[in-house]
Amino acid sequence: DGGITQSPKYLFRKEGQNVTLSCEQNLNHDAMYWYRQDPGQGLRLIYYSQIVNDFQKGDIAEGYSVSREKKESFPLTVTSAQKNPTAFYLCASSRDSEYGYTFGSGTRLTVV
Amino acid sequence: EDQVTQSPEALRLQEGESSSLNCSYTVSGLRGLFWYRQDPGKGPEFLFTLYSAGEEKEKERLKATLTKKESFLHITAPKPEDSATYLCAGQGGFKTIFGAGTRLFVKA
Repeated sequence: DGGITQSPKYLFRKEGQNVTLSCEQNLNHDAMYWYRQDPGQGLRLIYYSQIVNDFQKGDIAEGYSVSREKKESFPLTVTSAQKNPTAFYLCASSRDSEYGYTFGSGTRLTVV
Repeated sequence: EDQVTQSPEALRLQEGESSSLNCSYTVSGLRGLFWYRQDPGKGPEFLFTLYSAGEEKEKERLKATLTKKESFLHITAPKPEDSATYLCAGQGGFKTIFGAGTRLFVKA
């Protein structure tokens, strides 16, 4: 079955540490996205990529970095510059932005 | 500024008690209005896309409608398994704006 796989499901980060969240899709979608979800707020866009080797900043890109070396993969690195990283992170892909997104199951990141 | 506002924040229903969730939007050049269902600890699941005012779509006990300023998600005779958070999102240009969601609780 086609879908999006995010790993790990839970991740704990120490102060000053960089961590990388994995996102892999086998839907053959060109566009991929990273969103952050906090309680009581709508999903906020961190980064998106419409094609391999190209990506754009979203609304809250500071403290995050991404790469898109393969169509199937869009990893997100949460750097030590992100001062409030505790959140639920969602990866999504779409065939076309008008058809809605397919989301992964999410990664919950907690600072310890 | 583009904005999507959902109400109520939370809704508690008895099984079989029909109701509606509201999504008010101001999205420039709206290309699509989306509804998603999200279960706790999981990613959202796509339900509907609405493209123009007057459009309606149905899936089991859910029906989504769209006007020029609002979208409604009508839930007919809900069951406990319909309990979830329902997200609304509006797409203008390449940007998609999400609402904060309505948490629906259906009691047996």
